[in-house]
Amino acid sequence: QKEVEQNSGPLSVPEGAIASLNCTYSDRGSQSFFWYRQYSGKSPELIMFIYSNGDKEDGRFTAQLNKASQYVSLLIRDSQPSDSATYLCAVMSSGGGADGLTFGKGTHLIIQP
Amino acid sequence: DAGVIQSPRHEVTEMGQEVTLRCKPISGHNSLFWYRQTMMRGLELLIYFNNNVPIDDSGMPEDRFSAKMPNASFSTLKIQPSEPRDSAVYFCASSFGGAGAQPQHFGDGTRLSIL
Repeated sequence: QKEVEQNSGPLSVPEGAIASLNCTYSDRGSQSFFWYRQYSGKSPELIMFIYSNGDKEDGRFTAQLNKASQYVSLLIRDSQPSDSATYLCAVMSSGGGADGLTFGKGTHLIIQP
Repeated sequence: DAGVIQSPRHEVTEMGQEVTLRCKPISGHNSLFWYRQTMMRGLELLIYFNNNVPIDDSGMPEDRFSAKMPNASFSTLKIQPSEPRDSAVYFCASSFGGAGAQPQHFGDGTRLSIL
């Protein structure tokens, strides 16, 4: 059984600070990792993906992957109130791109103005 | 570019009725996924297709659920008969399932309420 674990939160962070979201996964064969943002009542929106160990930066977002520890994280720098949402970690087992994702239940992030 | 298109956006029906959800994937994408989201269980993969062929339906909860993809631009998820516990938001997603994992793009979802 593939499992993806996230702290449900809410995680409250003051505006301008760094928000750190964490995710662990059980399947060592996992190869692709995704972070989705979901606003209330909306569909998940892809914000980052990472395949290799280390850091990947895109604007204010940095994804970090440590396959040995089966751990992936998302850092949001200079947090804005518009970043308030639920962040879903998703894991894909194969590299073929034709597999479904296993999602965590998400972390609810609140950015306090 | 048009994204993944789902219909209807909302569906309210009585227990025992047949429900059909529809999805049009992004043009050129050859993988299609059906997910269900509830507060209790989060986002769960129900079934996915690659090149119109069902690859894994192990997430389909029971025989009352069925999915088809008759061509590359259309898929349906059917529930017959429907039950109150099927109430959820159902998302369709698509991707290009070529070499190397590609991100999945989600439709706006169908909010299903079974009374």
